[in-house]
Formats: sequence, C-alpha cells, structure tokens
Amino acid sequence: QKEVEQNSGPLSVPEGAIASLNCTYSDRGSQSFFWYRQYSGKSPELIMFIYSNGDKEDGRFTAQLNKASQYVSLLIRDSQPSDSATYLCAVNTGGFKTIFGAGTRLFVKA
Amino acid sequence: SAVISQKPSRDICQRGTSLTIQCQVDSQVTMMFWYRQQPGQSLTLIATANQGSEATYESGFVIDKFPISRPNLTFSTLTVSNMSPEDSSIYLCSLTPGGDTEAFFGQGTRLTVV
Repeated sequence: QKEVEQNSGPLSVPEGAIASLNCTYSDRGSQSFFWYRQYSGKSPELIMFIYSNGDKEDGRFTAQLNKASQYVSLLIRDSQPSDSATYLCAVNTGGFKTIFGAGTRLFVKA
Repeated sequence: SAVISQKPSRDICQRGTSLTIQCQVDSQVTMMFWYRQQPGQSLTLIATANQGSEATYESGFVIDKFPISRPNLTFSTLTVSNMSPEDSSIYLCSLTPGGDTEAFFGQGTRLTVV
C-alpha cells in the first residue's frame, strides 16, 4: 500500500511567521512531489512541485525534498491570513496516478 | 494545463437512488481519475478511468457501487449507486496530462444522501 503521511494539525501560526508543513511517503520509487492548497468547499490547487533533492523556492513558498529520508516539506514565509487552508502533500507514483496525504490544516492568526 | 467541467456541482439524493456525475475535458487525455473526499478528510482514489477498457478500481471500491464510463478521451462519468448516507461526500474527477506532472481537478460534486 503506497502511503503519504502528514500531520493533520491544526497548525496555528501568527501573521508574518514561518509555517512549516511536513510529509513522508512510503514508495521509494516515487519521482514527483506536490503541495496543493485547498480552501473549504473548493478543489485543490497546486502550490509547488519538486522533482529533485534539495530546495525549490517560489515567492514565499519553499519546497524541500529528501529522497533518502522519503521526506517532503513546505515552508511558507511571511504567513498571511489568506494562507489559512488545508495543505495536501501529494506524490505521483508513476502511471499518471497521484496519491494524497490526509492534509494539514493551517490557521494564520492576524 | 487542462480545463475540466464537472457537473452537477451539488445534489441532495434519497437513499437507495443513484447519481451520475459527469466530467468533460477541453483536451484529449489518456487517463482520468475519480476521487472521493469525505468531510474533513483527504482525497481517496476511487478508480482510474481508461478509454476503451474497464476502469481500474482501488482497494475498497467496486464496480457495482461505482460504475464508470469513459466513452471517449474527453469525457467520463461516475455513478454512485444505491446510495446511503455514508456516501455523502465530495466527488472529484482529475487528470494528470504529463504522466508525472500536477493533477488538475474538476470543480467537485458535493453529494448529500438523506
């Protein structure tokens, strides 16, 4: 059974702080990794993707991948109340299929 | 990218009845995926819809309960059959155009079974 594990939270951070979201996956052969943001009642939307070990930065978001540890993380700098949402870690296991973690609920307090 | 039109957006159904959800894509895609998202939960893959062959179901999901059609490369339907309140959920269709690239989603169908 291929799994993606996340802490369900909720994670609460003050406005302007760094939010750190973590994820582990079980399929060592996974090649592509994604972070989606989902607002209540909406479909998931892509925030970041990462394919290689190391860090990838896009604006206030940084994704980190460590394939040896089977670990993916997302850092959100200068967190804003509009960042309050559920963040889904997802892994593409090949063959077009994506497996999602349970999601971490983030609350950014103004 | 891909644009997926999913309908209905929501429905309230009586137990024992069936509901068919449709997804139309603006381009041809090999595989489409159907997910279920129960309240407060993440997305659980129901099945992979392949054009020209039977859908592939994940563990815990069966064709009699969730029949899927894929008549062409731009369209798919998921039917939730003989519904019970436990089927109340959001159902999402999805695709990954590039194989290992990001997933795109329809708008979702919020189903309530009473």
